[in-house]
Amino acid sequence: SQQGEEDPQALSIQEGENATMNCSYKTSINNLQWYRQNSGRGLVHLILIRSNEREKHSGRLRVTLDTSKKSSSLLITASRAADTASYFCAETSGSRLTFGEGTQLTVNP
Amino acid sequence: SAVISQKPSRDICQRGTSLTIQCQVDSQVTMMFWYRQQPGQSLTLIATANQGSEATYESGFVIDKFPISRPNLTFSTLTVSNMSPEDSSIYLCSVEDPIGLGPYGTDTQYFGPGTRLTVL
Repeated sequence: SQQGEEDPQALSIQEGENATMNCSYKTSINNLQWYRQNSGRGLVHLILIRSNEREKHSGRLRVTLDTSKKSSSLLITASRAADTASYFCAETSGSRLTFGEGTQLTVNP
Repeated sequence: SAVISQKPSRDICQRGTSLTIQCQVDSQVTMMFWYRQQPGQSLTLIATANQGSEATYESGFVIDKFPISRPNLTFSTLTVSNMSPEDSSIYLCSVEDPIGLGPYGTDTQYFGPGTRLTVL
């Protein structure tokens, strides 16, 4: 399978700033999920947005989806040092996840 | 959400040997998934394991190299056979939300903590 693309590949910001990560995907999706991974450990599920939704909020997270452009974005507001991690989008078709390349976010205190 | 554990959490192995990774879930699930994450890379699906049937492998992955067992609805194993340094990766299992009580229902996939494998 071909993975989607995420940009930027790496992002470094100061604590309190907002972080925006973008994801492009390739297939017709049922939904798109965002995950966080700390230091090569397991993945933590952040948020799921369905193909018929355009925007979703969860706490400091905001996800948008543009199915015409096959793209999604994840916005983290008021970032904290603890948000430092890799963030992955995963397009879902049936039960099958295809992951993007990921964005390494560093939040400097 | 499902609570997933994996054993071992990490291992260092010699080339030519095999390692079996275990995945245990606290709820009965129909499908379990195995992923590989090579150093600095994203996750790639290896196979889908259904209880009572042969695992379904993705392109580029074969049963002889990655045999999978699924003896019941809460457990699965992945074996990495005849290992080489190129097999050094994090191996993760995942399941779909078994009951659908999470905010997104059964569409959500939850991941185990991963097994970090280094092959010398």
